[in-house]
Amino acid sequence: EAQVTQNPRYLITVTGKKLTVTCSQNMNHEYMSWYRQDPGLGLRQIYYSMNVEVTDKGDVPEGYKVSRKEKRNFPLILESPSPNQTSLYFCASQDPPLGSPLHFGNGTRLTVT
Amino acid sequence: GEDVEQSLFLSVREGDSSVINCTYTDSSSTYLYWYKQEPGAGLQLLTYIFSNMDMKQDQRLTVLLNKKDKHLSLRIADTQTGDSAIYFCAESDTGTASKLTFGTGTRLQVTL
Repeated sequence: EAQVTQNPRYLITVTGKKLTVTCSQNMNHEYMSWYRQDPGLGLRQIYYSMNVEVTDKGDVPEGYKVSRKEKRNFPLILESPSPNQTSLYFCASQDPPLGSPLHFGNGTRLTVT
Repeated sequence: GEDVEQSLFLSVREGDSSVINCTYTDSSSTYLYWYKQEPGAGLQLLTYIFSNMDMKQDQRLTVLLNKKDKHLSLRIADTQTGDSAIYFCAESDTGTASKLTFGTGTRLQVTL
């Protein structure tokens, strides 16, 4: 089954404790991205990757890192999480052609205390 | 930067039509999308329309685009309780997701 898998689904952590949210897709998509969803703000893009070893900042990259060492994986790293990073995070992938849909994971709800 | 706006909430009775509206500011928008988010799940693409189209119909869904007013709407005919979800409007100027801008989402509540 074609899917984007994120782990964990729920995560509660404390300020400053490094964490990684994993994302994996099995559709051989070139493009992957991370979004955060906050009430009243919709989805905002954090980082995206057009292909292996190619990453770029989205609209809200501060406090986040990503890597794309393999085509299927695109982990999101919070080196020193803060409470304002409490949010619902989505990973997505897409393959050309133009207009093809984004495939989303089921989300990771992160709480930073 | 680009901005996409939607009303936050809509309540309709089962069997009625729902109309969810969206306005955007980017005049170079090429692709406009409607995504649906059910509780506890990611977003699922419902439909999309190219900017050179005025209307697109797909079963119970009708998308209307007024490019002059930068207004997009999604009409759901014969709304069912299973249509209860959050609906996101999104726009892209290139069709690549690297430039996708989402609206705030409209929560549709379907009552019996």
